[in-house]
Amino acid sequence: DTGVSQDPRHKITKRGQNVTFRCDPISEHNRLYWYRQTLGQGPEFLTYFQNEAQLEKSRLLSDRFSAERPKGSFSTLEIQRTEQGDSAMYLCASSINTATGELFFGEGSRLTVL
Amino acid sequence: DAKTTQPTSMDCAEGRAANLPCNHSTISGNEYVYWYRQIHSQGPQYIIHGLKNNETNEMASLIITEDRKSSTLILPHATLRDTAVYYCIVRGANNNAGNMLTFGGGTRLMVKP
Repeated sequence: DTGVSQDPRHKITKRGQNVTFRCDPISEHNRLYWYRQTLGQGPEFLTYFQNEAQLEKSRLLSDRFSAERPKGSFSTLEIQRTEQGDSAMYLCASSINTATGELFFGEGSRLTVL
Repeated sequence: DAKTTQPTSMDCAEGRAANLPCNHSTISGNEYVYWYRQIHSQGPQYIIHGLKNNETNEMASLIITEDRKSSTLILPHATLRDTAVYYCIVRGANNNAGNMLTFGGGTRLMVKP
């Protein structure tokens, strides 16, 4: 399968714990995006990378959230001191470097904070 | 990016055409109309996009009005597998965040046997 892959698919954690999600984009895609989706809502943009550079961050990305893409390939999204409000599906997408290229999404990582 | 308005939900009979409307009255000249769908528990999936001409691919057809203020996504022969939330998104070609998309609430399409 050469699509976008995310790991883990499901994560249950206790409030206050740290969690990390990994995204492997399609290999030739140099643009990578993280989104968050809560139940019944559309996905909300969190952050964008072009290669290893993080070029855009949403106001939704609080200080407890950090994303990296150290070698311009896979990316990680870490949430520190999780809160119940962080419970959501975290989606990763990638695209090629053209003005109208579509986004290819992974299956998402579902986080439940107890 | 211009805002879009879509009906919250629609039903369609299996085998019939599903016509999903989208209003984007504030669209500007360089903004494209994109359609994605999200089947339950999966990530969104690209369907089609267009600027001003009608477009067709193996999944759907996109009809954009001449004034570009609205569009319709057409699934010619809906199947039960087309049950999903369909998102209409307007985005400019030049965006600070690459090809970032701003999703609204979408239309929940239920295809019924």
